[in-house]
Amino acid sequence: AAGVIQSPRHLIKEKRETATLKCYPIPRHDTVYWYQQGPGQDPQFLISFYEKMQSDKGSIPDRFSAQQFSDYHSELNMSSLELGDSALYFCASSPETGGREAFFGQGTRLTVV
Amino acid sequence: AQKVTQAQTEISVVEKEDVTLDCVYETRDTTYYLFWYKQPPSGELVFLIRRNSFDEQNEISGRYSWNFQKSTSSFNFTITASQVVDSAVYFCALSEDTGRRALTFGSGTRLQVQP
Repeated sequence: AAGVIQSPRHLIKEKRETATLKCYPIPRHDTVYWYQQGPGQDPQFLISFYEKMQSDKGSIPDRFSAQQFSDYHSELNMSSLELGDSALYFCASSPETGGREAFFGQGTRLTVV
Repeated sequence: AQKVTQAQTEISVVEKEDVTLDCVYETRDTTYYLFWYKQPPSGELVFLIRRNSFDEQNEISGRYSWNFQKSTSSFNFTITASQVVDSAVYFCALSEDTGRRALTFGSGTRLQVQP
Protein backbone atom coordinates (compact mmCIF):
# COMPACT_ATOMS: atom_id res chain seq x y z
CA ALA A 1 0.00 0.00 0.00
CA ALA A 2 1.14 3.53 -0.71
CA GLY A 3 2.57 5.40 2.25
CA VAL A 4 3.44 8.99 3.01
CA ILE A 5 6.61 9.95 1.16
CA GLN A 6 8.97 12.58 2.49
CA SER A 7 12.02 13.99 0.83
CA PRO A 8 14.81 14.39 1.40
CA ARG A 9 15.44 11.87 4.17
CA HIS A 10 18.46 13.73 5.44
CA LEU A 11 19.49 17.35 5.03
CA ILE A 12 22.45 19.29 6.32
CA LYS A 13 22.32 23.08 6.18
CA GLU A 14 24.34 25.91 7.61
CA LYS A 15 22.99 28.58 9.92
CA ARG A 16 20.99 31.27 8.17
CA GLU A 17 20.40 29.10 5.10
CA THR A 18 16.97 28.02 3.86
CA ALA A 19 15.55 24.52 3.53
CA THR A 20 12.53 23.04 1.80
CA LEU A 21 11.02 19.75 2.87
CA LYS A 22 8.52 17.91 0.72
CA CYS A 23 5.67 15.59 1.59
CA TYR A 24 3.53 13.42 -0.66
CA PRO A 25 0.45 12.19 1.25
CA ILE A 26 -1.34 8.91 0.81
CA PRO A 27 -3.70 9.14 -2.21
CA ARG A 28 -7.22 10.33 -1.29
CA HIS A 29 -6.08 11.62 2.09
CA ASP A 30 -7.28 15.20 2.24
CA THR A 31 -5.46 16.36 5.38
CA VAL A 32 -1.73 16.88 5.83
CA TYR A 33 0.06 17.64 9.08
CA TRP A 34 3.63 18.72 9.79
CA TYR A 35 5.37 17.91 13.07
CA GLN A 36 8.78 18.74 14.48
CA GLN A 37 10.56 16.35 16.83
CA GLY A 38 13.64 17.67 18.60
CA PRO A 39 16.21 15.27 20.09
CA GLY A 40 14.65 13.34 22.95
CA GLN A 41 11.35 15.20 22.55
CA ASP A 42 7.86 14.24 21.48
CA PRO A 43 6.61 15.40 18.09
CA GLN A 44 5.18 18.91 18.17
CA PHE A 45 2.46 20.00 15.75
CA LEU A 46 3.49 22.77 13.38
CA ILE A 47 0.74 23.25 10.81
CA SER A 48 -1.98 21.39 8.92
CA PHE A 49 -3.83 21.66 5.64
CA TYR A 50 -7.23 20.42 4.60
CA GLU A 51 -8.05 20.42 0.91
CA LYS A 52 -5.11 22.74 0.20
CA MET A 53 -6.19 25.32 2.75
CA GLN A 54 -4.40 25.88 6.05
CA SER A 55 -6.66 24.36 8.69
CA ASP A 56 -4.72 24.77 11.94
CA LYS A 57 -1.50 26.24 13.19
CA GLY A 58 0.59 25.04 16.07
CA SER A 59 3.99 26.13 17.30
CA ILE A 60 5.39 27.03 13.90
CA PRO A 61 8.03 29.78 13.95
CA ASP A 62 7.44 32.83 11.78
CA ARG A 63 10.57 31.85 9.83
CA PHE A 64 8.74 28.76 8.62
CA SER A 65 5.96 28.60 6.07
CA ALA A 66 4.11 25.81 4.37
CA GLN A 67 1.64 25.22 1.61
CA GLN A 68 -0.26 22.43 -0.04
CA PHE A 69 -0.36 22.27 -3.81
CA SER A 70 -3.04 21.25 -6.29
CA ASP A 71 -1.66 17.70 -6.43
CA TYR A 72 -1.95 17.58 -2.59
CA HIS A 73 1.76 17.42 -1.95
CA SER A 74 2.95 19.82 0.71
CA GLU A 75 6.18 21.73 1.28
CA LEU A 76 7.61 23.14 4.48
CA ASN A 77 9.90 26.09 3.87
CA MET A 78 12.33 27.11 6.58
CA SER A 79 14.40 30.27 6.37
CA SER A 80 17.18 31.80 8.48
CA LEU A 81 17.90 28.40 9.93
CA GLU A 82 19.11 28.20 13.51
CA LEU A 83 20.96 25.44 15.33
CA GLY A 84 17.79 24.78 17.31
CA ASP A 85 15.93 23.87 14.13
CA SER A 86 17.90 20.62 14.00
CA ALA A 87 15.21 17.99 14.36
CA LEU A 88 13.25 15.22 12.74
CA TYR A 89 10.41 16.66 10.67
CA PHE A 90 7.43 14.43 10.06
CA CYS A 91 4.63 14.77 7.64
CA ALA A 92 1.42 12.83 8.27
CA SER A 93 -1.71 12.43 6.22
CA SER A 94 -5.17 11.27 7.14
CA PRO A 95 -8.67 11.22 5.77
CA GLU A 96 -10.77 14.00 7.29
CA THR A 97 -13.68 11.68 7.88
CA GLY A 98 -13.75 8.17 9.20
CA GLY A 99 -11.08 6.79 11.42
CA ARG A 100 -8.65 9.67 11.24
CA GLU A 101 -5.61 7.48 11.66
CA ALA A 102 -2.62 9.71 10.99
CA PHE A 103 -0.08 7.86 8.89
CA PHE A 104 3.39 9.26 9.16
CA GLY A 105 6.16 9.51 6.64
CA GLN A 106 9.62 8.33 7.58
CA GLY A 107 10.66 11.86 8.40
CA THR A 108 13.36 14.24 7.26
CA ARG A 109 16.29 14.62 9.60
CA LEU A 110 17.50 18.20 9.38
CA THR A 111 20.87 19.09 10.83
CA VAL A 112 21.85 22.74 11.03
CA VAL A 113 25.56 23.35 11.49
CA ALA B 1 -6.52 22.60 26.40
CA GLN B 2 -5.66 19.04 25.60
CA LYS B 3 -2.84 17.24 27.36
CA VAL B 4 -1.34 13.77 27.39
CA THR B 5 0.81 12.54 30.25
CA GLN B 6 3.11 9.55 30.16
CA ALA B 7 4.61 9.49 33.61
CA GLN B 8 7.04 6.65 32.92
CA THR B 9 10.09 8.09 31.20
CA GLU B 10 11.96 4.83 30.87
CA ILE B 11 11.18 1.19 31.64
CA SER B 12 13.61 -1.69 31.50
CA VAL B 13 12.44 -5.30 31.52
CA VAL B 14 13.88 -8.68 30.76
CA GLU B 15 12.62 -10.58 27.77
CA LYS B 16 9.34 -12.47 28.31
CA GLU B 17 8.21 -10.14 31.08
CA ASP B 18 4.90 -8.34 30.71
CA VAL B 19 5.02 -4.55 30.76
CA THR B 20 2.35 -1.86 30.96
CA LEU B 21 2.82 1.65 29.64
CA ASP B 22 0.59 4.26 31.23
CA CYS B 23 -1.17 7.13 29.50
CA VAL B 24 -3.44 9.74 31.06
CA TYR B 25 -5.14 12.41 28.98
CA GLU B 26 -7.08 15.63 29.43
CA THR B 27 -9.59 17.08 27.01
CA ARG B 28 -12.79 19.12 27.06
CA ASP B 29 -14.15 17.50 23.93
CA THR B 30 -16.71 14.76 24.32
CA THR B 31 -15.56 13.18 21.08
CA TYR B 32 -11.88 12.45 20.77
CA TYR B 33 -9.45 9.84 19.54
CA LEU B 34 -6.58 8.18 21.35
CA PHE B 35 -3.57 6.65 19.68
CA TRP B 36 -0.43 4.71 20.44
CA TYR B 37 2.64 4.98 18.24
CA LYS B 38 5.94 3.11 18.37
CA GLN B 39 9.18 4.85 17.46
CA PRO B 40 12.05 2.36 17.04
CA PRO B 41 15.68 3.53 16.96
CA SER B 42 15.40 4.02 13.19
CA GLY B 43 13.09 6.96 13.91
CA GLU B 44 9.87 6.31 12.05
CA LEU B 45 6.53 6.57 13.83
CA VAL B 46 4.59 3.34 13.58
CA PHE B 47 0.83 3.46 14.17
CA LEU B 48 -0.33 0.81 16.66
CA ILE B 49 -3.92 1.59 17.56
CA ARG B 50 -6.68 4.21 17.51
CA ARG B 51 -9.64 4.35 19.89
CA ASN B 52 -12.54 6.79 19.78
CA SER B 53 -14.09 8.14 22.95
CA PHE B 54 -17.29 6.16 22.53
CA ASP B 55 -15.60 2.80 22.31
CA GLU B 56 -14.37 1.64 25.69
CA GLN B 57 -13.90 -1.95 24.66
CA ASN B 58 -10.48 -3.29 25.44
CA GLU B 59 -8.54 -4.53 22.47
CA ILE B 60 -6.03 -7.30 22.02
CA SER B 61 -3.75 -7.72 19.03
CA GLY B 62 -1.31 -10.55 19.41
CA ARG B 63 0.97 -9.69 22.34
CA TYR B 64 -0.42 -6.16 22.54
CA SER B 65 -3.48 -5.11 24.50
CA TRP B 66 -5.02 -1.78 25.38
CA ASN B 67 -7.18 -0.77 28.32
CA PHE B 68 -9.28 2.39 27.83
CA GLN B 69 -11.05 3.77 30.90
CA LYS B 70 -12.92 7.06 30.51
CA SER B 71 -13.62 7.21 34.23
CA THR B 72 -9.92 7.66 34.92
CA SER B 73 -9.01 9.26 31.55
CA SER B 74 -6.49 6.55 30.93
CA PHE B 75 -5.47 4.53 27.88
CA ASN B 76 -2.86 2.03 28.99
CA PHE B 77 -0.88 -0.29 26.76
CA THR B 78 0.35 -3.73 27.79
CA ILE B 79 2.92 -5.86 26.01
CA THR B 80 2.78 -9.50 27.01
CA ALA B 81 5.90 -11.66 26.86
CA SER B 82 8.08 -8.77 25.74
CA GLN B 83 10.75 -9.29 23.12
CA VAL B 84 13.98 -7.43 22.33
CA VAL B 85 12.33 -6.10 19.15
CA ASP B 86 9.80 -4.27 21.33
CA SER B 87 12.58 -1.92 22.46
CA ALA B 88 11.50 1.52 21.31
CA VAL B 89 9.95 4.77 22.46
CA TYR B 90 6.19 4.53 22.73
CA PHE B 91 4.00 7.61 22.39
CA CYS B 92 0.41 8.02 23.44
CA ALA B 93 -1.46 10.76 21.55
CA LEU B 94 -4.82 12.53 21.51
CA SER B 95 -6.83 14.09 18.69
CA GLU B 96 -9.95 16.13 19.41
CA ASP B 97 -13.02 16.25 17.25
CA THR B 98 -13.96 19.93 17.61
CA GLY B 99 -10.75 21.20 19.17
CA ARG B 100 -7.29 20.50 17.84
CA ARG B 101 -7.43 17.65 15.36
CA ALA B 102 -3.68 17.36 15.06
CA LEU B 103 -2.12 14.91 17.45
CA THR B 104 -1.03 16.02 20.88
CA PHE B 105 1.63 13.59 22.03
CA GLY B 106 2.74 12.56 25.46
CA SER B 107 6.42 12.80 26.24
CA GLY B 108 6.93 9.13 25.44
CA THR B 109 8.11 6.09 27.36
CA ARG B 110 11.39 4.49 26.38
CA LEU B 111 11.13 0.71 26.72
CA GLN B 112 14.30 -1.34 26.91
CA VAL B 113 13.86 -5.10 26.69
CA GLN B 114 16.99 -6.94 27.77
CA PRO B 115 17.71 -10.41 26.42
